[in-house]
Amino acid sequence: DAKTTQPPSMDCAEGRAANLPCNHSTISGNEYVYWYRQIHSQGPQYIIHGLKNNETNEMASLIITEDRKSSTLILPHATLRDTAVYYCVSAGNNRKLIWGLGTSLAVNP
Amino acid sequence: NAGVTQTPKFRILKIGQSMTLQCAQDMNHNYMYWYRQDPGMGLKLIYYSVGAGITDKGEVPNGYNVSRSTTEDFPLRLELAAPSQTSVYFCASTKQGNTEAFFGQGTRLTVV
Repeated sequence: DAKTTQPPSMDCAEGRAANLPCNHSTISGNEYVYWYRQIHSQGPQYIIHGLKNNETNEMASLIITEDRKSSTLILPHATLRDTAVYYCVSAGNNRKLIWGLGTSLAVNP
Repeated sequence: NAGVTQTPKFRILKIGQSMTLQCAQDMNHNYMYWYRQDPGMGLKLIYYSVGAGITDKGEVPNGYNVSRSTTEDFPLRLELAAPSQTSVYFCASTKQGNTEAFFGQGTRLTVV
């Protein structure tokens, strides 16, 4: 099961793009990368996931490097409500999600 | 759909007491999980189940037990509560395959 590492904190100006990096250099070929966020101490909320290709949905975009050793979550127009802890998570055997410490994103007005 | 429902939301236990944390989902998901989250940390997997009658240990199973008699319910049992089990507990479920996990709102447990 791959371990993920993320910067502990980041800041972003409201209305600008937030780019959150994640390193998962030990990820194996069949392990997906998932992104979740947690606002205050609520249950985590799913954002997006991918295996090899870049992905986009209504919330965010996920860019995965060709060697799959790292990825970047992009929130295209951050709002104050996007202030949260963002987790980059690898899905191991039986879809067990392996969580790191996350990045605390502060969106500033 | 209610999604994933956890009860209770808060609980204080004395050392040595036992309790069951309830988790129910109404999405007909095969996979269910129990996680704990200590302050400032990520989630750690306690137990998981890939279907009714099937359970397996996660990263931190000691001091806990689970059962999965139905697709909908996945209760977590603490037999002899210890201060180290003070944490926030999250239940989650997914469909089979690589899809998003849905989480409950958590149970805050304090053992004194």
